[in-house]
Parts: sequence; C-alpha cells; structure tokens
Amino acid sequence: DVKVTQSSRYLVKRTGEKVFLECVQDMDHENMFWYRQDPGLGLRLIYFSYDVKMKEKGDIPEGYSVSREKKERFSLILESASTNQTSMYLCASSFGLAEQYFGPGTRLTVT
Amino acid sequence: AQSVTQLDSQVPVFEEAPVELRCNYSSSVSVYLFWYVQYPNQGLQLLLKYLSGSTLVESINGFEAEFNKSQTSFHLRKPSVHISDTAEYFCAVGSSNTGKLIFGQGTTLQVKP
Repeated sequence: DVKVTQSSRYLVKRTGEKVFLECVQDMDHENMFWYRQDPGLGLRLIYFSYDVKMKEKGDIPEGYSVSREKKERFSLILESASTNQTSMYLCASSFGLAEQYFGPGTRLTVT
Repeated sequence: AQSVTQLDSQVPVFEEAPVELRCNYSSSVSVYLFWYVQYPNQGLQLLLKYLSGSTLVESINGFEAEFNKSQTSFHLRKPSVHISDTAEYFCAVGSSNTGKLIFGQGTTLQVKP
C-alpha cells in the first residue's frame, strides 16, 4: 500500500513566522502535490513537482514556496505566515497519470 | 481549461435510502474521472475511478459511478446507504496530458438513522 505521511497533524504558528510542512511518500512516485482545503472551495493546488528539483506553480502559489531535494520528500514553505493561510494542507503523490494518494493532512492555524 | 462542478453542497438522506451525488465536468481533452471520500479529520481516499473502457465503475463498498460523455457527467450512486457513509465526497477530473487533478467543491453526505 502507498503511504504518504505529513510531518504534523496540527500546527499553530504566529503571524510572520516561517513555516515548514513536510511530506514523504514511500512508493517511488514521480509526482507530488500540495493542496489547501477550505470549506466550500474544495481542494486548490498550490504547487506540484514532476521530478526531483523540479516544481511548477499551481492555482494559488502566492505566499508559498516548495522544495524537492529527494524523490520521496516534498516540502511546502510559508515564507511569512499570515492569518489567511489558516487552512488544511494536503499532500499527495502519484505515478504518471494515475490516481493521487493523499496524506492525512496538516491543520495549520496562524494567529 | 478544465472545471468540475458538484451540484449539491450537502445531501441529507436516511439510512438504507438510495443516494446520488452529482458531478459535471468540462474539458477539451480526454479525461480521467475520480471520486474521493474524506472522513472527518482524515485525508482523501480514492473511492473509484474511470480511466477507459466500461463507463460504469464500481467500488468495493457498494458505490458506483457512470461516465456519461454526452452529458459530461460522472454521478456517484449507492442503492442503500449506511451511517458509516457519512463523509465528504469529492469529484475530480484529470486530463490525458498532465498528472494534475481538478477537484470539485465537495458534497457532504449526511446519513441519518
């Protein structure tokens, strides 16, 4: 079974802090994704990566950056956290055009 | 550009009743279609998928969905729901030339005893 893990289930940070969210997958998937989930808006793609050191912007990249130094790990970085980044963050991975496998999510609160 | 519309934000239903969760999509290229389920405080789990072949796809827990190309729909159905089916359901579309998925806004299924 594919396993996607995220570093924290719950996180509370202060406005202006730099925040790191980490995601690790164990199935050698080439594609990895970061989404945020907000009520009534579904999932919105922040960034994705097709290979190590490669990244592409999704629909809402502003205020975020990513890093993929190893194939199994994809990090989401909030350079200076703001209250409007309070949300559920979901990481996913996939192989080719197949279905995506999701981690359990990180609920981030920025105060 | 692709888009997905889930026509109902909430669907309340009594236990053992049938249910349909509606999903319409738009795309100019060949698509793959997915339904995901999210239980409270969990990530998304794949429920079923349409990649090619038979337009009727089934999951192991009694859900089914039919790909209707002419109506650009992929509605999810179950003939008899259980309390444990209470969750949020997401429809998603992927294109044949990218690994990205576009998700609908989600439908909350509330099964009442």
